Amino acid sequence: TQLLEQSPQFLSIQEGENLTVYCNSSSVFSSLQWYRQEPGEGPVLLVTVVTGGEVKKLKRLTFQFGDARKDSSLHITAAQPGDTGLYLCAGETTSGTYKYIFGTGTRLKVLA
Amino acid sequence: SAVISQKPSRDICQRGTSLTIQCQVDSQVTMMFWYRQQPGQSLTLIATANQGSEATYESGFVIDKFPISRPNLTFSTLTVSNMSPEDSSIYLCSVEDPTGELFFGEGSRLTVL
Repeated sequence: TQLLEQSPQFLSIQEGENLTVYCNSSSVFSSLQWYRQEPGEGPVLLVTVVTGGEVKKLKRLTFQFGDARKDSSLHITAAQPGDTGLYLCAGETTSGTYKYIFGTGTRLKVLA
Repeated sequence: SAVISQKPSRDICQRGTSLTIQCQVDSQVTMMFWYRQQPGQSLTLIATANQGSEATYESGFVIDKFPISRPNLTFSTLTVSNMSPEDSSIYLCSVEDPTGELFFGEGSRLTVL
C-alpha cells in the first residue's frame, strides 16, 4: 500500500513568515500534485510535478519533487492570511489500479 | 476543467438506513473517483468508477456497503448502506481531466444519528 505522510500536521504562523510542508513516502509515484482545500469546498489543484528533481514556482509558492519521486515539498514565502487552508499532496500510483493517493494533510493558519 | 454537482450537499440520517449521493459532471469523463473525508482530515479513496464496468474498491471498502453506479460518462451515484454513526463523514466525487488534474464536487456531508 502506498502511503503519503505530510508534516507538519498543523501549522500556525504570523503573516510574513516562511514555511515548508513536506510530503514523504517510501513508494515511487508517477507524478505528484498539491491541492489546497478550504472549508465546505473540494480540493483545488495548485501544481503537478512529474520529473524527479523538478521545481515549480507559483507566485510565492515553490514546489519540489524529490529526485527519486518519493517525496515532495511545498515552500511558501511571506505567508498571507489568504494562504490559510488544508494543504494536500496526492501521488499518482505506479502500480496496480490507476488512482491518486492523498497525503495525510497539513492544516495551515496564517494570522494577520 | 470540469464542473461537478453533488446532491445532497448535506443530510442527517437515522442508523440502519441508506443514502444515495449523486454526482453530475458537465462533461464526459472516463474515470470518476469517490472519496471520504473526515472534517479537517485527508481524503481516503473509496472506489474508482468506470463507465460500463464494476467499480474498483480500495481496501476496507466493499460493494455491499458502498454500491456505486456509473450509468453513463457524466453521472455516478454512491450509496452508503445500513448506515452507522461511523459513516458520518464528507463524501466527495472527483473526476480527472485529460491534463491529469482532479476536480472535486463540494462534497456531501453526512451525519448519522
